[in-house]
Amino acid sequence: DQQVKQNSPSLSVQEGRISILNCDYTNSMFDYFLWYKKYPAEGPTFLISISSIKDKNEDGRFTVFLNKSAKHLSLHIVPSQPGDSAVYFCAATYTSGTYKYIFGTGTRLKVLA
Amino acid sequence: NAGVMQNPRHLVRRRGQEARLRCSPMKGHSHVYWYRQLPEEGLKFMVYLQKENIIDESGMPKERFSAEFPKEGPSILRIQQVVRGDSAAYFCASSPGHRATNEKLFFGSGTQLSVL
Repeated sequence: DQQVKQNSPSLSVQEGRISILNCDYTNSMFDYFLWYKKYPAEGPTFLISISSIKDKNEDGRFTVFLNKSAKHLSLHIVPSQPGDSAVYFCAATYTSGTYKYIFGTGTRLKVLA
Repeated sequence: NAGVMQNPRHLVRRRGQEARLRCSPMKGHSHVYWYRQLPEEGLKFMVYLQKENIIDESGMPKERFSAEFPKEGPSILRIQQVVRGDSAAYFCASSPGHRATNEKLFFGSGTQLSVL
């Protein structure tokens, strides 16, 4: 039962262009969403998050959009840089529940120089 | 200010042996999560603990796997009688445990378990 889905296993983007990573969820109870970035042989590191009371959150080159009616969120990276090449995971939790964080399967982003 | 510490980084076991994975959370954090990542797969939730208490173990196999987070010392994920299918990267994460609406997880570097 995959409650958080990232349907694109990989994505290639030219340096300087926009990267858009997508994530869908099925549990309408989720009210807090996060994006993590993971390099090989390292643990995931937090990137950006959004609460369900918002539809957009921005931090520098990173913006997360949330569409609650579609149960969809996306991460925009602009401009993309070669150092952004990594695996990106989206995660969701519901703060009124056990506070368990459910992760998607990840999207491998490659930014081409 | 040390982050989440996991050891060992790499663990090799033969089938039937026991594996013990350790995780020390960030200073001030009282909640620990364990995740497993199989090759080419995402992060699968296993168990969520606070000191001396398991909050949610719905992702942990019922047999051979156990986890604890004692009052003193690190959290331990224990796998008894390991099989080849247990080979994976095991990640620990911690959080302050305040259950704030914007609480996030901090991850360790993981333990790569290889079962021969």
